[in-house]
Amino acid sequence: GQQVMQIPQYQHVQEGEDFTTYCNSSTTLSNIQWYKQRPGGHPVFLIQLVKSGEVKKQKRLTFQFGEAKKNSSLHITATQTTDVGTYFCAPREEYGNKLVFGAGTILRVKS
Amino acid sequence: DGGITQSPKYLFRKEGQNVTLSCEQNLNHDAMYWYRQDPGQGLRLIYYSQIVNDFQKGDIAEGYSVSREKKESFPLTVTSAQKNPTAFYLCASSNSARRDTQYFGPGTRLTVL
Repeated sequence: GQQVMQIPQYQHVQEGEDFTTYCNSSTTLSNIQWYKQRPGGHPVFLIQLVKSGEVKKQKRLTFQFGEAKKNSSLHITATQTTDVGTYFCAPREEYGNKLVFGAGTILRVKS
Repeated sequence: DGGITQSPKYLFRKEGQNVTLSCEQNLNHDAMYWYRQDPGQGLRLIYYSQIVNDFQKGDIAEGYSVSREKKESFPLTVTSAQKNPTAFYLCASSNSARRDTQYFGPGTRLTVL
């Protein structure tokens, strides 16, 4: 079955520093979604990437989908305390009908 | 979030008792899902349903059961056969299972004493 690895597991940054989390799949993907879960909350959808090599931006967040459609990254520029939470990637296999969530990257921001 | 409700928010049960967690959505979504989240871990799929009266096992279905008699409702029963039931349970729904984003409910934190 599909294996999903998300790294790092945990990152603690100073406010203003950048942050990146990576998601790698053992199989080719149909698409990949990213979610954010604030402490004590529930996951909230951020974005979906579908095309090979796709790059999408949401303000300070940049999402990339690899050329081979097996990996993805989320980069946050100049982190703020509001960015605190766990970021999950959720890839979908090429012929699959369900998402498989990565273990998530916990982001803590020191002000 | 956005039309998915889960109740209750916190639930305590004695070991050996079955317990049913509620999940209702008014988004007219076809697909619904149950996930389990343990502290510091990701989401693991328990069961999902793509359409009324149909559901499939996820990765950790043992000790759980579901039903999908109505489009808007997808209750999860945690049976006494589930060896380690204490966890945060999240319900989600999406327009369809193939592509669409998932909308999550607020979750139920189950503690078995």
